Parts: sequence; C-alpha cells; structure tokens
Amino acid sequence: KAGVTQTPRYLIKTRGQQVTLSCSPISGHRSVSWYQQTPGQGLQFLFEYFSETQRNKGNFPGRFSGRQFSNSRSEMNVSTLELGDSALYLCASSLNRVSPTTEAFFGQGTRLTVV
Amino acid sequence: DAKTTQPNSMESNEEEPVHLPCNHSTISGTDYIHWYRQLPSQGPEYVIHGLTSNVNNRMASLAIAEDRKSSTLILHRATLRDAAVYYCILRDVAYGQNFVFGPGTRLSVLP
Repeated sequence: KAGVTQTPRYLIKTRGQQVTLSCSPISGHRSVSWYQQTPGQGLQFLFEYFSETQRNKGNFPGRFSGRQFSNSRSEMNVSTLELGDSALYLCASSLNRVSPTTEAFFGQGTRLTVV
Repeated sequence: DAKTTQPNSMESNEEEPVHLPCNHSTISGTDYIHWYRQLPSQGPEYVIHGLTSNVNNRMASLAIAEDRKSSTLILHRATLRDAAVYYCILRDVAYGQNFVFGPGTRLSVLP
C-alpha cells in the first residue's frame, strides 16, 4: 500500500509569508502527527490530529497551526515566516492514537527554506 | 515525559554485529521501548519495540534489562544501508502519538 505522502517536497519562501504543507496518511490511518526537524533542535513534536480534532500540541508559537479533514488528510500552516522556521517538516500517520504499540509511519518530509 | 540517553555516535564494520545502547532510568511500568531509525534524506522508520521481554524481528533484536532501566538494539550483521541515526523512544498510552525524540545515535558503517 502507498506510504505517507507529503507535498511539496521542497519549498522556498520569503520572511513574512505564510506556507501550507500537506500530508496524506496511509489509507485507513486516522492519526496524523507533525514534527519539525532542525540541525540544532532535532526532531520536535508540533501537533497531533485524530478524527479531525487536535489531540496534542507541542511547544510552538501560535503561528504554527494545522487541521485534519474527514478523509484524514492533514495540512499544517505557518504564518509570518521567520528565518528560524527553515526546517524539514515531517508528517507521521498511525492507525490509531491510544495504543503505545502502534507503529508510526513517517513521510519523507517537506524541506522548507525561508529567505 | 520519560527521557532516554544514547551515545552521540558509534562506528561499526560491515557484516559485524552492532549493539546500540539506550538508558531510560526513569521508565515507568507502562512505557514501551521503541526504536526508530532515520536514513539520510528520509523520515524515521520503525525498527522494533518491546515492553519487558527481549524481542526479535527481521531487522533487529531488542534486549531489555531486567530492571528495564536500559535496553540495547542489536543489528546482527551491519550493512552499509544500516548507516543512520537510531532513536530510542519511550511510549505510553498517555503520550498519544507524541514521540519525544532525543538526539539519537549516529551509526557509521565502514566497508
């Protein structure tokens, strides 16, 4: 079956702009989480969506937001981009959210560069 | 969240076994130990997980200490493709799908 698809793969934006990233989870998966990866901070949890509701949120400013649609596809939005937002943004999908044995499947990520 | 500590980097020769350690001294009774790895230019991928007993799968083995305060991921015969950053993560039902990643161990495999 198809894996997690993230689009676009690469993106260059200017400071102050906003950006929307998309994630299509594996068919049947209902949980989608987003992570930011930078060389300095590593992988950091942004938020988690399940059944169109945000279930968990990491320690990021309100400029970072997301949503999940009824087909489980998810988008994340970053407004008023800053240079420090340059990162690899990873999406992970899981069948459910409550089982600690559930495997998470990660996409290849979207590489965002803010200039 | 419970924390894990791992060596920053390790090196191995191709076709030799590799033992990647992880310390999790504050682990709770309901925390599962998961290992993920991230190959260059890829998202993390699942390797193995366990609770109390040692586990084996086609990719690796997981040895868990009796007191559960540490664990070791074992790659039986390292290949060049195993060069990656390996993350040891604790997961509990209370965390949902929030994975707390540490810096991980960067494994280099020498031909």
